[in-house]
Amino acid sequence: SQTIHQWPATLVQPVGSPLSLECTVEGTSNPNLYWYRQAAGRGLQLLFYSVGIGQISSEVPQNLSASRPQDRQFILSSKKLLLSDSGFYLCAWSEFYNEQFFGPGTRLTVL
Amino acid sequence: RKEVEQDPGPFNVPEGATVAFNCTYSNSASQSFFWYRQDCRKEPKLLMSVYSSGNEDGRFTAQLNRASQYISLLIRDSKLSDSATYLCVVSSGSARQLTFGSGTQLTVLP
Repeated sequence: SQTIHQWPATLVQPVGSPLSLECTVEGTSNPNLYWYRQAAGRGLQLLFYSVGIGQISSEVPQNLSASRPQDRQFILSSKKLLLSDSGFYLCAWSEFYNEQFFGPGTRLTVL
Repeated sequence: RKEVEQDPGPFNVPEGATVAFNCTYSNSASQSFFWYRQDCRKEPKLLMSVYSSGNEDGRFTAQLNRASQYISLLIRDSKLSDSATYLCVVSSGSARQLTFGSGTQLTVLP
């Protein structure tokens, strides 16, 4: 069966520091991968998606970037965090454009 | 106008009650429709997909009306464990990107 991992689970970072969040999927090949953010008290917002290695599409202009160095690995990065980057970051995968399944998420607090 | 709009809630119902959630979406080209549930501080989990013919999974029934761009979820015989936020979700675009409603909070009371 398929499994999705995210780490770290929680992170507290100072403003201006870099960020790297990792997501990996097991048990499937060539999944579509997605990064979402949920700010406190708000809905989920799609940040990036990828349909293959090295293919990244951005949904909203922002301080973040994404990369997909391997088939089942998706990384979310920032060179300098802002206070507004705080939130709950969720990675998701789908197969053949069907339902999406979410990882456990990373709760990021920028101070 | 929001792309996906849901009843704001919260809904507080007694155990055993029937509760209905409604949702409308604005993109007529939307391709797939789902209900997810999200427990406090957890990731969303797929509850069920929604089809035009309507579908049922145990106590849960989902309906889709493409002409009205309307989606519903009915929960019968509510359990305490049904307490969660229910998210109406619509997919569209080349990679089936998901657009989430803001969610409706349900609390089932003993």
